[in-house]
Amino acid sequence: GQQVQQSPASLVLQEGENAELQCNFSSTATRLQWFYQHPGGRLVSLFYNPSGTKHTGRLTSTTVTNERRSSLHISSSQTTDSGTYFCAIVSNTNTGKLTFGDGTVLTVKP
Amino acid sequence: AQTIHQWPVAEIKAVGSPLSLGCTIKGKSSPNLYWYWQATGGTLQQLFYSITVGQVESVVQLNLSASRPKDDQFILSTEKLLLSHSGFYLCAWSLRANSDYTFGSGTRLLVI
Repeated sequence: GQQVQQSPASLVLQEGENAELQCNFSSTATRLQWFYQHPGGRLVSLFYNPSGTKHTGRLTSTTVTNERRSSLHISSSQTTDSGTYFCAIVSNTNTGKLTFGDGTVLTVKP
Repeated sequence: AQTIHQWPVAEIKAVGSPLSLGCTIKGKSSPNLYWYWQATGGTLQQLFYSITVGQVESVVQLNLSASRPKDDQFILSTEKLLLSHSGFYLCAWSLRANSDYTFGSGTRLLVI
């Protein structure tokens, strides 16, 4: 079935450093979304990015669909960026099933 | 603006007891609705989806059931909780099956 692989599994940064999170998926995805999960559990959509590059604030998402990969770049990290970042694709357009990767746990130290 | 509200925020329940979790979406007509489950430290897994009132499809069998009694309401329930039901339950909506998703704030469940 559809698989989503994220790397690294965890990442520790000093505040101000940049981060690059990777997402690879097993077949051509028509929809890809990046989510941030707060330490308390709330899941927030960062990017809905099926292809190309999108920016918001210090975040940049680039998806290369025919290479089955997407990246999330965080510049000038802050302690409030700490949490878990998930990549997810729509693996079934009939059911709307989102298949999530295992996530990257980011810790930003002051 | 669309809002999605889940209740309760957290529950501690005994094994064998019943459970009912709720989700309400306001400001969007006929959304696709979904229930997801996340084990502690794990990834998210879709449990149910619904594209219209009264119709719910199961994706994973976890001894849970779901219902959509109104266009804007999605209910997750079981008559007998298992220890394995512990985790974080998230409701989500989308306009279509392949458009972007918005999640609720979740319900944390501990079964003891």
